[in-house]
Amino acid sequence: DTEVTQTPKHLVMGMTNKKSLKCEQHMGHRAMYWYKQKAKKPPELMFVYSYEKLSINESVPSRFSPECPNSSLLNLHLHALQPEDSALYLCASSQVTGGYGYTFGSGTRLTVV
Amino acid sequence: DAKTTQPPSMDCAEGRAANLPCNHSTISGNEYVYWYRQIHSQGPQYIIHGLKNNETNEMASLIITEDRKSSTLILPHATLRDTAVYYCIVRAPLSGNTGKLIFGQGTTLQVKP
Repeated sequence: DTEVTQTPKHLVMGMTNKKSLKCEQHMGHRAMYWYKQKAKKPPELMFVYSYEKLSINESVPSRFSPECPNSSLLNLHLHALQPEDSALYLCASSQVTGGYGYTFGSGTRLTVV
Repeated sequence: DAKTTQPPSMDCAEGRAANLPCNHSTISGNEYVYWYRQIHSQGPQYIIHGLKNNETNEMASLIITEDRKSSTLILPHATLRDTAVYYCIVRAPLSGNTGKLIFGQGTTLQVKP
């Protein structure tokens, strides 16, 4: 299995809702990442997990809460989002060491209403 | 990580070689050059990476100048499906907790019939 699977593919949520995005990989990668991408902009790094521990938080607001329950799964919990948080949320994984590339999922298209 | 400079857009005729340039004049000795592409509304796709030597795989070739200050991604026979945003990224090898892949603005390649 050489894929990163993200669910759901599309999500519409109200500003008072709580929802979660899910990311799964079975490549044995021990580094996982969340990126946010606004329309016509490059992906922006949000969080990095290494060996299931949060290693980088790029000053992301607390209404985004990441979780890595095991080496194959990465979640992004969403609460009290704003309309400007509407974006494509991308998950990626990689080896922890070495000059290897990242494998990206196809993303979750989030709309906050 | 070193910064990269790419032209914002390029056109290429279908069936011809597409040559995408990237300048990375501040690259450090241990930094790799990575190329990714992103087809509309999909996750970025890894293409190729290299350190010093030219590299080739089933998708593309990567030519790195001897001083490593610039590189060129070559798609030998471009097809309409190669229309995408191409990102050139330089970064050090992953090492434990310090993994980051930072995207610049990229080059939008339009392959025309």
